[in-house]
Amino acid sequence: RKEVEQDPGPFNVPEGATVAFNCTYSNSASQSFFWYRQDCRKEPKLLMSVYSSGNEDGRFTAQLNRASQYISLLIRDSKLSDSATYLCVVGATGGGNKLTFGTGTQLKVEL
Amino acid sequence: DAGVTQSPTHLIKTRGQQVTLRCSPISGHKSVSWYQQVLGQGPQFIFQYYEKEERGRGNFPDRFSARQFPNYSSELNVNALLLGDSALYLCASSLGAGLAGESEQFFGPGTRLTVL
Repeated sequence: RKEVEQDPGPFNVPEGATVAFNCTYSNSASQSFFWYRQDCRKEPKLLMSVYSSGNEDGRFTAQLNRASQYISLLIRDSKLSDSATYLCVVGATGGGNKLTFGTGTQLKVEL
Repeated sequence: DAGVTQSPTHLIKTRGQQVTLRCSPISGHKSVSWYQQVLGQGPQFIFQYYEKEERGRGNFPDRFSARQFPNYSSELNVNALLLGDSALYLCASSLGAGLAGESEQFFGPGTRLTVL
């Protein structure tokens, strides 16, 4: 079983749609969780950290369910510029900087 | 301020050769991590260095080695290149080694290595 699993997509949605990405992780001792965005042939960039209480940043909402080891990202009112690959990422246990990435979910927002 | 820089941007090598990739972290950052991203996959952790010491190592063969210099820049070396080493090699820097508030990692643009 992969440490971090995501549906690879692609998700093709019309502009203005709401889209949800899901992710599961295998290590119950994991302490930190993130969503990164990666544009084609570019480096990953941090989109947002994910907290147990849930957090929102504009049109983006992230949720963490530790009991189910499940992470989600919701994008509302999607824009053409949201087209990218979204990577679910779990941070190291016990300190250290190791990030474990999922394979990424590709999103294409269309007119 | 400059972000993380990596050189070269692209590299073509043949099987069996050796390659050295370079990374300069953001000014003030003391930790550098290396990741390999194969097409269609997420990045995979190779190494972390903090204050010139190796702090973490991923599941990669001994052909992969790295070091960090006193100015916190880093090199990743890969010996005896295989076709499967073709990938985007990403460097990420952070303030610290994983303590809360210091661990956000900023990625460089990567070096795209092609092994023929």
